[in-house]
Amino acid sequence: GDSVTQMEGPVTLSEEAFLTINCTYTATGYPSLFWYVQYPGEGLQLLLKATKADDKGSNKGFEATYRKETTSFHLEKGSVQVSDSAVYFCALSDLTNAGKSTFGDGTTLTVKP
Amino acid sequence: DGGITQSPKYLFRKEGQNVTLSCEQNLNHDAMYWYRQDPGQGLRLIYYSQIVNDFQKGDIAEGYSVSREKKESFPLTVTSAQKNPTAFYLCASSNTRGGSPLHFGNGTRLTVT
Repeated sequence: GDSVTQMEGPVTLSEEAFLTINCTYTATGYPSLFWYVQYPGEGLQLLLKATKADDKGSNKGFEATYRKETTSFHLEKGSVQVSDSAVYFCALSDLTNAGKSTFGDGTTLTVKP
Repeated sequence: DGGITQSPKYLFRKEGQNVTLSCEQNLNHDAMYWYRQDPGQGLRLIYYSQIVNDFQKGDIAEGYSVSREKKESFPLTVTSAQKNPTAFYLCASSNTRGGSPLHFGNGTRLTVT
């Protein structure tokens, strides 16, 4: 079955540091890949997505590239802010699995001033 | 603005009682989902529905029930058979095109004592 493995957290960084959160996946079909962000007490929000190999998703300074050869979709940001503190989830959806989404366990990011 | 509304935000119940969580969307999405989130864990799929009057069990359906009588609404009942019901419950919707992301509500935190 489909699975998503995320870098274990928590991750603590100083403001303006470089962020990488690793994500690798296994899927039987050709999945679409997503990063979602969750702020305390809220639901998840879509951060960015990529639907085919070599696509780069980007939003709010965050980027991730769909790497089929390494089955990866690592999240990066060049300079984090305190407001980026949240839980980040990598996910995939696969039409061969009725379009259901599979999530990683989430990575908690704390950015200190 | 379109979105998903979950109510109530906090819910308290005594053990042995059934409780129903509300989820309404005005995004005109065909598919709707219920997830459970426990502290420090990812999302686990309870039930999903891709069309009105039809729904399927997810990975942890035991002790839960749903209905989908209207496109906009997908209520979840947590029954007394659910052994460990205290959790954060998230409802989501999407259209059924490949690559479509999930749109989440802000969740209901259920506490059973």
